[in-house]
Amino acid sequence: NAGVTQTPKFRVLKTGQSMTLLCAQDMNHEYMYWYRQDPGMGLRLIHYSVGEGTTAKGEVPDGYNVSRLKKQNFLLGLESAAPSQTSVYFCASSLGRGGLDTQYFGPGTRLTVL
Amino acid sequence: KNQVEQSPQSLIILEGKNCTLQCNYTVSPFSNLRWYKQDTGRGPVSLTIMTFSENTKSNGRYTATLDADTKQSSLHITASQLSDSASYICVVSASLSTNQFYFGTGTSLTVIP
Repeated sequence: NAGVTQTPKFRVLKTGQSMTLLCAQDMNHEYMYWYRQDPGMGLRLIHYSVGEGTTAKGEVPDGYNVSRLKKQNFLLGLESAAPSQTSVYFCASSLGRGGLDTQYFGPGTRLTVL
Repeated sequence: KNQVEQSPQSLIILEGKNCTLQCNYTVSPFSNLRWYKQDTGRGPVSLTIMTFSENTKSNGRYTATLDADTKQSSLHITASQLSDSASYICVVSASLSTNQFYFGTGTSLTVIP
C-alpha cells in the first residue's frame, strides 16, 4: 500500500494563477481532509469529505474549492492564488468509523505564491 | 475559546536521555487526545490516541498520559534516539464531531549525539 500520496510535492505560482492539488489514498478510507500548515501555527482544516461525492468546509475554506468524485481521490483547487496561500498543504484520510479514527497524512505539498 | 498549547516550544537533549513534552488544552466538550510525530518535510504520524477514560497509553518508547480533570497531557520519551528528532504535535478532538480537531503548534525536539 502506498498510503496517502500527494501531487505535486512542490509548486511555485504567480498571484492570480490557478492550480489543483491531488490527494490519493489506497486504504479504502471514507473520510478525507485538506489541511494547511503555517509557521508558528497548528494545522488548520480547509475542507473535508465524509464520502464520495460529499464535501464540507473546515476552519479556513476561503479561496479554496474541493471535489471528491472518486472515493480514493480528493482534489484541492486554488482558483486565483494569493501570497497568503503560501503554505504547506497536507492531505489526510481516515476509515470513517467515528471520533477515534486514526488520521493518515500524506507527505505534503509546499506551495509558494509570488 | 478552544485551544491547545504545547511546551516547551523547542528542546535539545542528549542521545539516551529521557524527556517529557507538555500539552494543555481548553477544548470542550472533549472526545480524545492524540500525539503525532512529524519528521522534517513529512506528514504527521500518529503515536497515541487516548479517550477520557484512559490515563496512560504507550507506543514503544513513547508514553502518553492524560489528566482530563486538569486538561493536561504529557508525552514521555524514554532512552531517546537520534531518530526521535522531530516535531511532536498534540491534537484534541471535540465530542460529537469527527472533524473538529484542534492542533497544537508542536514541540521541536532535537536529539544530539
